[in-house]
Amino acid sequence: QSALTQPASVSGSPGQSITISCTGTISDVGGYNYVSWYQHHPGKAPKLMIYDVTIRPSGVSNRFSGSKSGNTASLTISGLQAEDEADYYCSSYTTSATPHVVFGGGTSLTVL
Amino acid sequence: QLHLQESGPGLVKSSETLSLTCSVSGGSIIGSGSYWGWVRQPPGTGLEWIANIFYSGSTYYNPSLKSRVTISIDTSKNQFSLKLNSVTAADTATYYCASGVNIDAFAIWGQGTMVTVSS
Repeated sequence: QSALTQPASVSGSPGQSITISCTGTISDVGGYNYVSWYQHHPGKAPKLMIYDVTIRPSGVSNRFSGSKSGNTASLTISGLQAEDEADYYCSSYTTSATPHVVFGGGTSLTVL
Repeated sequence: QLHLQESGPGLVKSSETLSLTCSVSGGSIIGSGSYWGWVRQPPGTGLEWIANIFYSGSTYYNPSLKSRVTISIDTSKNQFSLKLNSVTAADTATYYCASGVNIDAFAIWGQGTMVTVSS
């Protein structure tokens, strides 16, 4: 069982906005600003979309944005496009037990 | 432009040791101030973080794998490695090496290598 909880699936129509949540605890999401989001198309390497909660790496569309409130982080994708259909994973630094990194279980995004 | 490439056997026998190497090109493994890590994805499931090593040598391990995992850096070869002992079928996965801008933000990834544990 993943330490971070994500919805198994979300869907939206082209042009719409969707939000994926990532819920943890004070030992991870809530305690540190080390939350990242990855886009993963099957058969390809994951792609970093957001890090440090809100920062977009160079080259990532500004349609992707990140935020955090308490123990829950969120990824919002605006202006949905067909190519956004993929699996999305959050990750966080955690000090539960020993310092390490945890991933969420992943969310499958379907663009209708 | 940093490039990472995993190498290692695609088939490992149960109870033996899985050894993978990540070769880094396009930059120095000690000069970039990066975290270097391994992530895997078993078939049909999600991503699982395995371990990180900072360029200075500090290591971080997934607590559920810590007793079986070793991550190391070879600065002379500009590469880092993963060893996973006593493998079972549950260790069958695609293994990725990656470079992070911080401990959990992997910006550069290798293409991934599929490792199957056979009985």
